Amino acid sequence: AQTVTQSQPEMSVQEAETVTLSCTYDTSESDYYLFWYKQPPSRQMILVIRQEAYKQQNATENRFSVNFQKAAKSFSLKISDSQLGDAAMYFCAYSQYGGNKLVFGAGTILRVKS
Amino acid sequence: EAQVTQNPRYLITVTGKKLTVTCSQNMNHEYMSWYRQDPGLGLRQIYYSMNVEVTDKGDVPEGYKVSRKEKRNFPLILESPSPNQTSLYFCASSLEGGARGNTIYFGEGSWLTVV
Repeated sequence: AQTVTQSQPEMSVQEAETVTLSCTYDTSESDYYLFWYKQPPSRQMILVIRQEAYKQQNATENRFSVNFQKAAKSFSLKISDSQLGDAAMYFCAYSQYGGNKLVFGAGTILRVKS
Repeated sequence: EAQVTQNPRYLITVTGKKLTVTCSQNMNHEYMSWYRQDPGLGLRQIYYSMNVEVTDKGDVPEGYKVSRKEKRNFPLILESPSPNQTSLYFCASSLEGGARGNTIYFGEGSWLTVV
């Protein structure tokens, strides 16, 4: 079974600085998708960024980018120029290509200091 | 506006009293799913449905039932709730099964407390 591990329960960053959230996963599949979701205090689930495993190029969405290392099964999220509104729980998630579910990590709480 | 709507959003109930959490989507999606979120465990899939009358178990189906009689609705039924079902519940939908490159839409969550 696939598993997703987020080893950092909590992280802190100063406003305007850069922070990296870690995620590793375990799978025997070669085709899959990886995601980062943001969950603010409202508990809404917001898709931040998505990566297709067959793409070597790392995905980028404005201030958010990933470092996808397929061989190492690592998928970290970098947030640049951190803002107060980035404070949230961040979940890393995996989905097998053609699969029927998302497998989530335990989450990382990100605190942003002003 | 694309929406997944869950009701109720907040509920406190007693052990053994049957309850239903409704989920409705307005995007004509074939795939719908239920997850529960617990501290330290992230979100885990309870049940999913690939289409009308097609449902299957996820990773934590014990104590739950679902039905998919209409494409837009996917209710989660707790026949005899127990305190270990106290959790935050999310309904999700997408055009096809799983990720398949399609955007997955989540409802706003339903806080359920069983005392």
